[in-house]
Amino acid sequence: QSALTQPPSASGSPGQSVTISCTGTSSDVGGYNYVSWYQQHPGKAPKLLIYEVSKRPSGVPDRFSGSKSGNTASLTVSGLQAEDEADYYCSSFSGSNNLWVFGGGTKLTVL
Amino acid sequence: QVQLVQSGAEVKKPGASVKVSCKPSGYSFTGSYMHWVRQAPGQGPEWMGWINPNTGATSYAPRFQGRVTLTRDTSISTAYMELTSLRSDDTAVYYCARQPLDETHVGDYWGQGSLVTVSS
Repeated sequence: QSALTQPPSASGSPGQSVTISCTGTSSDVGGYNYVSWYQQHPGKAPKLLIYEVSKRPSGVPDRFSGSKSGNTASLTVSGLQAEDEADYYCSSFSGSNNLWVFGGGTKLTVL
Repeated sequence: QVQLVQSGAEVKKPGASVKVSCKPSGYSFTGSYMHWVRQAPGQGPEWMGWINPNTGATSYAPRFQGRVTLTRDTSISTAYMELTSLRSDDTAVYYCARQPLDETHVGDYWGQGSLVTVSS
């Protein structure tokens, strides 16, 4: 059982927007602005999409955006494209044991 | 460009140990933490620990404490993850991922992954 809770699946049609949630506690998501999001295609390593809740590394399209409210972080993918079909994972620093925790992942399907 | 190249796949028997290597290039080896993350088939990633290649300091996830050891060899700019007393549920892809010392995010670059299969 993962430390952070994500919905197992999400879907949307090309051009639409979809939001994926990531729920933790006040010891991780709610307590620190160290939430990251990763995209993973089958057989590949995760790719960093968002860090520090809402910052994008260079090269990541601005269609990907992040936010946080309380103990829940969110990733929004706007203007869905076929290549966005992948697994998405959230991660956060956890101050209770000074470690990093991940969510169980959300499989995004582009219809 | 930054690359993290890991050692190849391993097949181990229960009770054995495995040591996975990660050799980065394209940046200063001692300028970033190296994290180790594993991912069992069909599961989300699981953080195992980090090492500061500059000082050798380490931090481990409680569930792996006592079974995992992170080391580094600065002379060849290589980080290592050793996991002992292997069980079948240790079967997973093991990744190294860097975190620049002056940044707060893990995994701007990842290794390609090393599959470890534990089977009798």
